[in-house]
Amino acid sequence: EIVLTQSPATLSLSPGERATLSCRASQSVSSYLAWYQQKPGQAPRLLIYDASNRATGIPARFSGSGSGTDFTLTISSLEPEDFAVYYCQQRSNWLFTFGPGTKVDIK
Amino acid sequence: EVQLVESGGGLVKPGGSLRLSCAASGFTFSSYSMNWVRQAPGKGLEWVSSISSSSSYIYYADSVKGRFTISRDNAKNSLYLQMNSLRAEDTAVYYCARTFRGLVSYYFDYWGQGTLVTVSS
Repeated sequence: EIVLTQSPATLSLSPGERATLSCRASQSVSSYLAWYQQKPGQAPRLLIYDASNRATGIPARFSGSGSGTDFTLTISSLEPEDFAVYYCQQRSNWLFTFGPGTKVDIK
Repeated sequence: EVQLVESGGGLVKPGGSLRLSCAASGFTFSSYSMNWVRQAPGKGLEWVSSISSSSSYIYYADSVKGRFTISRDNAKNSLYLQMNSLRAEDTAVYYCARTFRGLVSYYFDYWGQGTLVTVSS
């Protein structure tokens, strides 16, 4: 089973700042990686798929990069609605795994 | 508009059973594989099970294999999860999610609001 780790666990930033979130896989997942945003009491929302493609309706301030074992989600300038928990996710042989999440909170 | 609405959650004793349902609308349900993903209180996301569009392929997480059964009824636009031999560690919000096929892999593009399952004596 491929294990995903995310860092940092918590990121404290102010609106307007740049957020850089990391996801590392225990073995290569090529570009088979997605990022989700989850706000309290809500279902997750797909942000990025195939490592770098924005899902429908996702603002351009969200971008993803990486391949193999190291991936990054960047939020170029934090808006108030971006403070949430972010998860990475991969699929290998029809087994899906998620990372433990990074909470982006207001400094 | 794509909508996924889960139901069937509740309080059940350890060893008991529960059947979750997910009613889909706003898309051609029979063309998509579907999934259940759960989230224990205050914890992260855990994939539970997937079923292909025609039910030909079914997959489970090791944590639920042999206890949970996923199924679907394309005529009723509905997805199900039969949960048997429930344990305290199965306590979670259970989400129904649609499979999205990216260029190279599969993800979850639409999610329901979730239904809470609590396993406690």
